Amino acid sequence: AQSVTQLGSHVSVSEGALVLLRCNYSSSVPPYLFWYVQYPNQGLQLLLKYTSAATLVKGINGFEAEFKKSETSFHLTKPSAHMSDAAEYFCAVSSYGNNRLAFGKGNQVVVIP
Amino acid sequence: DAGVTQSPTHLIKTRGQQVTLRCSPKSGHDTVSWYQQALGQGPQFIFQYYEEEERQRGNFPDRFSGHQFPNYSSELNVNALLLGDSALYLCASSSGLAGDSNEQFFGPGTRLTVL
Repeated sequence: AQSVTQLGSHVSVSEGALVLLRCNYSSSVPPYLFWYVQYPNQGLQLLLKYTSAATLVKGINGFEAEFKKSETSFHLTKPSAHMSDAAEYFCAVSSYGNNRLAFGKGNQVVVIP
Repeated sequence: DAGVTQSPTHLIKTRGQQVTLRCSPKSGHDTVSWYQQALGQGPQFIFQYYEEEERQRGNFPDRFSGHQFPNYSSELNVNALLLGDSALYLCASSSGLAGDSNEQFFGPGTRLTVL
């Protein structure tokens, strides 16, 4: 079975500061990894995905993530937080040939002016 | 090009009742997956439909059932509602069971409240 761990349900960051959200995965097969963002009362929007190509993945809104197999991690970063980044962020895992997603519990990001 | 649509947006039911939620996939997609997102939690996979058949199922009781129609739209049915069924129900569509690097597109969800 595949699973994802996201620590720290609430993350506060100052406007202009680095955003770092941690994701560790468990998978018995090579994983596909995703970060989704959810704004209040909305569905999930894909930020970026790793599907066994480049280990450094760039996504929308200035976010990027690096796949590190040795650390079973896929942490999400953004160099400079913006007020519009306030939302909930989910890391998810699937595998080749099976797009069933297993999600972490999410990180609620609060941006402080 | 319409994305994934879901109806209704909100729904209030009482314990023991039955509910049907509906989903229309993104144009060109033929696979629909359903997820349950309880308050403060990540989405949990319920099941997936492809070619009008249930292809995969998560750890949900038989009270949760579904259907896919020839036009690829889908329904999620929940019988004998419990308070714990209160959640946001998300529908996701994709092209094939794992097409295009497994990417799924999510709808806005249906918020179900069970009283």
